[in-house]
Amino acid sequence: RKEVEQDPGPFNVPEGATVAFNCTYSNSASQSFFWYRQDCRKEPKLLMSVYSSGNEDGRFTAQLNRASQYISLLIRDSKLSDSATYLCVVNPSGTYKYIFGTGTRLKVLA
Amino acid sequence: DTAVSQTPKYLVTQMGNDKSIKCEQNLGHDTMYWYKQDSKKFLKIMFSYNNKELIINETVPNRFSPKSPDKAHLNLHINSLELGDSAVYFCASSQGNRVRETQYFGPGTRLLVL
Repeated sequence: RKEVEQDPGPFNVPEGATVAFNCTYSNSASQSFFWYRQDCRKEPKLLMSVYSSGNEDGRFTAQLNRASQYISLLIRDSKLSDSATYLCVVNPSGTYKYIFGTGTRLKVLA
Repeated sequence: DTAVSQTPKYLVTQMGNDKSIKCEQNLGHDTMYWYKQDSKKFLKIMFSYNNKELIINETVPNRFSPKSPDKAHLNLHINSLELGDSAVYFCASSQGNRVRETQYFGPGTRLLVL
């Protein structure tokens, strides 16, 4: 089993739609979780950290399910500018090693 | 001001050559990283330095040698370049290994080995 797994997509959704991605991780001791966004030919940038209680930032909501070892990202009212690859990142406790998923590609269509 | 910068942005070279990529961060971070993103877009850690000390050395051919002259710089030297080394190399930095630490990435160096 891969350490961090994501559905590569692409997810093609119309503008205004709600879309959700999941990411599973194998190390149950993992403490830190993040969603990064990567645009084509650009560097990854932090979208949001994922907290145990879940967190929301505008149209974006991140959730953590420790029992099932997955994190999720929900995007409401999708915009064309949301088109990108969304990378799930896990940092096992006590290490400097950030483990990236392969990313989920989102295309928001006009 | 660019937080994490890399040079060069593009590098086209012949097989067998030796090349270096430089990275600098002005965020005052303690930890720096090198990642490789291959053609399938998978981002994999190669090395990590904390306060100039090597702390992560993933299964990387010993043709790759990182060097950290100081906390703000982490360079990557590659000997005897091979076709399979073609990829985008990202440098990143973070404050340290605290929970919820954010990594800041440089713009990437696109390496093409012919």
